[in-house]
Amino acid sequence: DIQMTQSPSSVSASVGDRVTITCRASQHISSWLAWYQQKPGKAPKLLIYAASSLQSGVPSRFSGSGFGTDFTLTISSLQPEDFATYYCQQADSFPITFGQGTRLEIK
Amino acid sequence: EVQLVQSGAEVKKPGESLKISCKGSGYTFTNNWIGWVRQMPGKGLEWMGIIYPGDSDTKYSPSFQGQVTISADKSISTAYLQWSSLKASDTAMYFCALTLGDCSSSTCYSPFEYWGQGILVTVSS
Repeated sequence: DIQMTQSPSSVSASVGDRVTITCRASQHISSWLAWYQQKPGKAPKLLIYAASSLQSGVPSRFSGSGFGTDFTLTISSLQPEDFATYYCQQADSFPITFGQGTRLEIK
Repeated sequence: EVQLVQSGAEVKKPGESLKISCKGSGYTFTNNWIGWVRQMPGKGLEWMGIIYPGDSDTKYSPSFQGQVTISADKSISTAYLQWSSLKASDTAMYFCALTLGDCSSSTCYSPFEYWGQGILVTVSS
């Protein structure tokens, strides 16, 4: 199985800050990576697919980059509604696997 | 509008059986893969498996193979996740999720664009 490791596990930031979350795959996955946002008690929401493609309707302050084994999700200017948990997910091979999550908290 | 509507919360005892459902609408149910994802209390997301309702082709995560059964009834556009004998460790939120892309024998390259609202399953004596 491909292991996905996110860092940091949690981060505190303020409205307006720029935040970057990293995801590392245990083997090469090309660009087959997605990012999701999850708020408490809710289903995950797709933000980014194919490493850097913005899902329709997602604000442009979210961006993704990376290829191979190292990927990043960047939020350029945090808004109050962005405080949530973020997960990466590899789609290179079965079983599909997720990172352990990064909790983004208000400072 | 694409929607996945899941059945309601369940409270069961260890050893009991359970079948939960996920009804799709707003798209061609038979032509798109639906997956199931587990989230244990306070934990992350775990992919359990995925089914193509058109021919019931099903892929399981090795972690869940033999522990659950994924099925679909295309006549009512509904996918299912079932257990024959629940354990306390099955207590979790279960989400169904739709990918509009294709899957091969080795992967689903497309992400999960749409999700159900989740079903909380509680197993306790």
